[in-house]
Amino acid sequence: TQLLEQSPQFLSIQEGENLTVYCNSSSVFSSLQWYRQEPGEGPVLLVTVVTGGEVKKLKRLTFQFGDARKDSSLHITAAQPGDTGLYLCAGFYSTLTFGKGTMLLVSP
Amino acid sequence: SQTIHQWPATLVQPVGSPLSLECTVEGTSNPNLYWYRQAAGRGLQLLFYSVGIGQISSEVPQNLSASRPQDRQFILSSKKLLLSDSGFYLCARESSVGYTFGSGTRLTVV
Repeated sequence: TQLLEQSPQFLSIQEGENLTVYCNSSSVFSSLQWYRQEPGEGPVLLVTVVTGGEVKKLKRLTFQFGDARKDSSLHITAAQPGDTGLYLCAGFYSTLTFGKGTMLLVSP
Repeated sequence: SQTIHQWPATLVQPVGSPLSLECTVEGTSNPNLYWYRQAAGRGLQLLFYSVGIGQISSEVPQNLSASRPQDRQFILSSKKLLLSDSGFYLCARESSVGYTFGSGTRLTVV
């Protein structure tokens, strides 16, 4: 069983702060995906990283895939209330395995 | 369009009753389809996946079954629901860049 550990489990910050969410595993994945989910909705794909050491930027979000393709991080700069949600990382090997998520609350 | 349709959005069922959740997808033919369950707003657990009509793979033994009678239709069923079957059920299809999820069904077994 391939397990993904996400930290922190919960994060409450003020608007304008920066934050980093981590996703770690002992397994190697062919790719790693980040999703954002709002209450009562399905997860929405943010990014897929494939190459070890890869860095992708999506506006204020920066995603990094570890050199060994076992871990990843998501950094948000100047967080806004609209960033509030559950952030899920998922590793792909033959199927997609999800971490338990980081619940982010950004207060005005 | 890679739209996924799931219904109903919410469902309250008594223990011991049957269940049928339907998922239909648009877009390219012969998609890989998945059923996930999410408990308490946390991580997703893979239940079943299908790579084609009539082909079902089960990831965890449980009180549920799945069927794929048509290329773009994926059904999750149970003959007798348990309290532990409560949760948020999500259907997903695989694409070259990631998974697209439906809006989910919130099932409460009472």
